[in-house]
Amino acid sequence: DAGVIQSPRHEVTEMGQEVTLRCKPISGHDYLFWYRQTMMRGLELLIYFNNNVPIDDSGMPEDRFSAKMPNASFSTLKIQPSEPRDSAVYFCASSSFPNQPQHFGDGTRLSIL
Amino acid sequence: SQQGEEDPQALSIQEGENATMNCSYKTSINNLQWYRQNSGRGLVHLILIRSNEREKHSGRLRVTLDTSKKSSSLLITASRAADTASYFCATAPNTGTASKLTFGTGTRLQVTL
Repeated sequence: DAGVIQSPRHEVTEMGQEVTLRCKPISGHDYLFWYRQTMMRGLELLIYFNNNVPIDDSGMPEDRFSAKMPNASFSTLKIQPSEPRDSAVYFCASSSFPNQPQHFGDGTRLSIL
Repeated sequence: SQQGEEDPQALSIQEGENATMNCSYKTSINNLQWYRQNSGRGLVHLILIRSNEREKHSGRLRVTLDTSKKSSSLLITASRAADTASYFCATAPNTGTASKLTFGTGTRLQVTL
């Protein structure tokens, strides 16, 4: 039973470049979440989807961040243009029902130089 | 501020000892969940306790919930080196259709041989 799959695992890029993070949720899970984890701010929810529809994007830091879920098996988080303060570990998680346990991917460690 | 605040921030014990971590939260909840995060990996769900439950067990884990004090504790008995990880509590809101979990700041547990 495959878990949540994220790619790439590591990304190093220069300031100003576009960054695209990818996520494949567990099949059958209707909820998909994007989080960001840093030492200073801990784990922050950026946005979540239900049945491919964005429900709450209040955690998205600014317009440079965007997220899409074109189908039930794929989601992207894009940062354009990227800045050094975007450096963090980005996690994708999915769940079957609201408020129930979430299954996390192993994250993408993003470094913006 | 974070809904869940764990205490202590860090804990170091020897193998075989028990480890207790505490979590406090601010608002009414539907349930409270505990997660483990190994270094460089995603969070893994450990146990969920509903707002009408006071205690729950799973293997070497024991979780208590006191809704009057808005607090929970996680006890790991007979700890092992493999229990070394960060532990997070997460609260599910008791409001309408909200599906967001709010994660605490975590407790770093070090179990030494």
